[in-house]
Amino acid sequence: KAGVTQTPRYLIKTRGQQVTLSCSPISGHRSVSWYQQTPGQGLQFLFEYFSETQRNKGNFPGRFSGRQFSNSRSEMNVSTLELGDSALYLCASSSLAGQETQYFGPGTRLLVL
Amino acid sequence: GQQLNQSPQSMFIQEGEDVSMNCTSSSIFNTWLWYKQDPGEGPVLLIALYKAGELTSNGRLTAQFGITRKDSFLNISASIPSDVGIYFCAGQLYGGAQKLVFGQGTRLTINP
Repeated sequence: KAGVTQTPRYLIKTRGQQVTLSCSPISGHRSVSWYQQTPGQGLQFLFEYFSETQRNKGNFPGRFSGRQFSNSRSEMNVSTLELGDSALYLCASSSLAGQETQYFGPGTRLLVL
Repeated sequence: GQQLNQSPQSMFIQEGEDVSMNCTSSSIFNTWLWYKQDPGEGPVLLIALYKAGELTSNGRLTAQFGITRKDSFLNISASIPSDVGIYFCAGQLYGGAQKLVFGQGTRLTINP
């Protein structure tokens, strides 16, 4: 079974731009969560989607948004990029059948200049 | 944001030595997870623990879910060079949310 895939793997943007990252979960998984990883703050939860609905949201500003499609693929968008948004953005999927664990993709490395 | 207290932050050991790291929390979790992350990659799940007191092994790795549900430890026996990386603990609550709370990570360096 293929793992979680994320595109693109690397991205360079400038301040003020917006960016869209994509995540394809493991086949059959319906829950997708997004995390931001930085050296200073570590791994921080952004939001979780299940059946195209956002079920939980972390403490990030409204510039961070996401959505999930009917095939469970998910995108996250960051508008008006700031230097501090430079990070590794990780997507994780789970099937939600009972006691489930999350499996991570390789991440998208975003650099904001 | 909320984080677990993971220690030690870094370890420098000789190949063949055993390693021990732990995580503590002020909150109770339903699940404890241990991940390993290599540079530029996403975390890879090593061990998942679902019940208080549970002791689980995966090869040279052994992890336990603390009886109070507020802590967990990971042991690596007979370390080898490929064990190098950053190890994260994560706590998970159920009840409608799949949010993971992570420790700060333990960076493991092995001298051959």
